[in-house]
Amino acid sequence: QSALTQPASVSGSPGQSITISCTGTSNDIGAYNYVSWYQQHPGKAPQLMIYDVTSRPSGVSDRFSGSKSGNTASLTISGLQAEDEADYYCSSYTIFSTRVFGTGTKVTVL
Amino acid sequence: EVQLVESGGGLVKPGGSLRLSCAASGFTFNIYDMNWVRQAPGKGLEWVSFISSSSTSIYYADSVKGRFTISRDNAKNSLYLQMNSLRAEDTAVYYCTRDFNTDWYIIAYWGQGTLVTVSS
Repeated sequence: QSALTQPASVSGSPGQSITISCTGTSNDIGAYNYVSWYQQHPGKAPQLMIYDVTSRPSGVSDRFSGSKSGNTASLTISGLQAEDEADYYCSSYTIFSTRVFGTGTKVTVL
Repeated sequence: EVQLVESGGGLVKPGGSLRLSCAASGFTFNIYDMNWVRQAPGKGLEWVSFISSSSTSIYYADSVKGRFTISRDNAKNSLYLQMNSLRAEDTAVYYCTRDFNTDWYIIAYWGQGTLVTVSS
C-alpha cells in the first residue's frame, strides 16, 4: 500500500486561504469516507483536525474544512494564522482493512 | 480525558526484540479499537497495526508482517506491540492510538510516543 500523495510544502500569508491536496486510489480515498486530517507541530503528537472527510472535532477552529472528490481529498485552512504553521497529514481506511497516511505537507505562514 | 501512555522504547541491536506497552485511561478501553502508528526521524507517519476491541480482528502493514505482533489485555487497559527481528528501518517514534469507535475507522486519539532506536 503506497502512501497517499500530498504536496511537500504549501505557504501563505496571514489571513489568506490555502488548500492541501491528498491523492489516493479507488482502494482507499475513493472507497470510503473514512478520510481524516492531522496537524503535527514539531516534537508533538499529531492532532485530529478533520474526520469523515468534512467533520471537525469539538475544539477545532472552523477555519479548517475538508472535502473530497473521487480519489482526492482536500484540506482548506482559511484566515491563515501563525499558529497554523505545522505539518499536515491525511489518512484513509483501505479496502484491505489497513490504514494509509499521506506523505505530509509542511505549511509555512509567511 | 483520554490518556494513552507508551513505554518500552529504547536502543536495541539489529535482529533484537522489544516489547512496547500502552497504558490507557479516561475511557472504557474494552470497547475501542486500537492501532500503532510510527514515525521515523524527520519522516512521515506510517500505520503499523490494528486490533479490534475484542482482539478478533488484527491487521499489519506489509513492512512489519511476520515480525511484529499486536495484542491487548482489556483487564489491564493495556495495548502491546511485540517487535522481533528488528531492523535499522524500524527506528521511529511509536504512537499508541485509539479509533473513534468500534467499526469507525478514524484514529481519534494519540499518545505522546516512545522512541525505538535500532542500531549496533
